[in-house]
Amino acid sequence: DQQVKQNSPSLSVQEGRISILNCDYTNSMFDYFLWYKKYPAEGPTFLISISSIKDKNEDGRFTVFLNKSAKHLSLHIVPSQPGDSAVYFCAASPGSSGAQKLVFGQGTRLTINP
Amino acid sequence: DTGVSQDPRHKITKRGQNVTFRCDPISEHNRLYWYRQTLGQGPEFLTYFQNEAQLEKSRLLSDRFSAERPKGSFSTLEIQRTEQGDSAMYLCASSFRGSSVYNEQFFGPGTRLTVL
Repeated sequence: DQQVKQNSPSLSVQEGRISILNCDYTNSMFDYFLWYKKYPAEGPTFLISISSIKDKNEDGRFTVFLNKSAKHLSLHIVPSQPGDSAVYFCAASPGSSGAQKLVFGQGTRLTINP
Repeated sequence: DTGVSQDPRHKITKRGQNVTFRCDPISEHNRLYWYRQTLGQGPEFLTYFQNEAQLEKSRLLSDRFSAERPKGSFSTLEIQRTEQGDSAMYLCASSFRGSSVYNEQFFGPGTRLTVL
């Protein structure tokens, strides 16, 4: 049972354009959502997060949008840069108490073309 | 201390051997997590510590797996009688549970285990 899904295994974007990565979830108990970036042979690096009381959070070139009714979130990167090429994971945390363990999607490989 | 560290980075072992991995979290973090990642998948939760107490374990964590966090600092993950299906990247993460309800987790570089 895949509770967090990233349906696009890969995405290719031209440098300077906007990259949009999508994520869907099924568990209504999730109330905290995060995006991580991963380079080969490294652990995931935290990028940006959003709690369920918000619908948008922005940090520099990165913006995360949350649509609770659709159980959908997206990460926008603008403008895209070559260093953004990596695998991006969406993660969700069930509940504001307890372990707050993260449930991850399968990842989307983003390639930024010069 | 700039981040979560894990040792070793790579481990190759023969089936049936025991292996132990170590994780050193960010020093002020009171929560520590272990995840496992296989090829083409996102990390999957294994277990979680609040200080020295192990508070939750995934059903993925069979009885061959044991984790400890003595004194609430570093943690070890031991796999006994390794099987080829244990081959994966083992990731450690830490976070600080303070006044804020939501706390991002910071990951180490991982230990890649290969069981021959």
